[in-house]
Amino acid sequence: GESVGLHLPTLSVQEGDNSIINCAYSNSASDYFIWYKQESGKGPQFIIDIRSNMDKRQGQRVTVLLNKTVKHLSLQIAATQPGDSAVYFCAESIGTDKLIFGTGTRLQVFP
Amino acid sequence: KAGVTQTPRYLIKTRGQQVTLSCSPISGHRSVSWYQQTPGQGLQFLFEYFSETQRNKGNFPGRFSGRQFSNSRSEMNVSTLELGDSALYLCASSPQRQGEQYFGPGTRLTVT
Repeated sequence: GESVGLHLPTLSVQEGDNSIINCAYSNSASDYFIWYKQESGKGPQFIIDIRSNMDKRQGQRVTVLLNKTVKHLSLQIAATQPGDSAVYFCAESIGTDKLIFGTGTRLQVFP
Repeated sequence: KAGVTQTPRYLIKTRGQQVTLSCSPISGHRSVSWYQQTPGQGLQFLFEYFSETQRNKGNFPGRFSGRQFSNSRSEMNVSTLELGDSALYLCASSPQRQGEQYFGPGTRLTVT
């Protein structure tokens, strides 16, 4: 796929299990964070976002947790499905639309 | 609503040539950002336009330029192409500042 680096960290989970994808962000001044999913041959797809005045935000089957103390972001996917297989990127920004992306994590779901 | 569209989807150019890529944002979105994606460098921000003005710029050489039209459509241009410019070029649009950015499918540029 277009998104993949050659040596992306990979998370392998069984269908139906919960997945947790972690991301360490770089700038303590970042005030907006966003998770994207990218499937092979496609552009990144918005999953969920969170602002720095929040610690947790939930969407449909997904939860994002923000720990500003250690500059850590996580994405939890409940009841992981084969269609969740993709590369996941976290991104941060500081007051602008300039997103700084992480390197990505490949999620593999096996039956 | 139709999503972000990018044309062309695939492009092959020769070193030294120039190229223009086009992006049509989601209707009503006034902010358009461009990113370059490569296996080695990942996703990197090129620039962002809002109401025909460049609001932010990434760390790319001056060979990379862009513009936005009054209907919010945007183009990016790369002059004097180098082999290292081979990448997937992604466009994203957003309805508000520092809000959700929606990406198009990208233009795959190959420089030979």
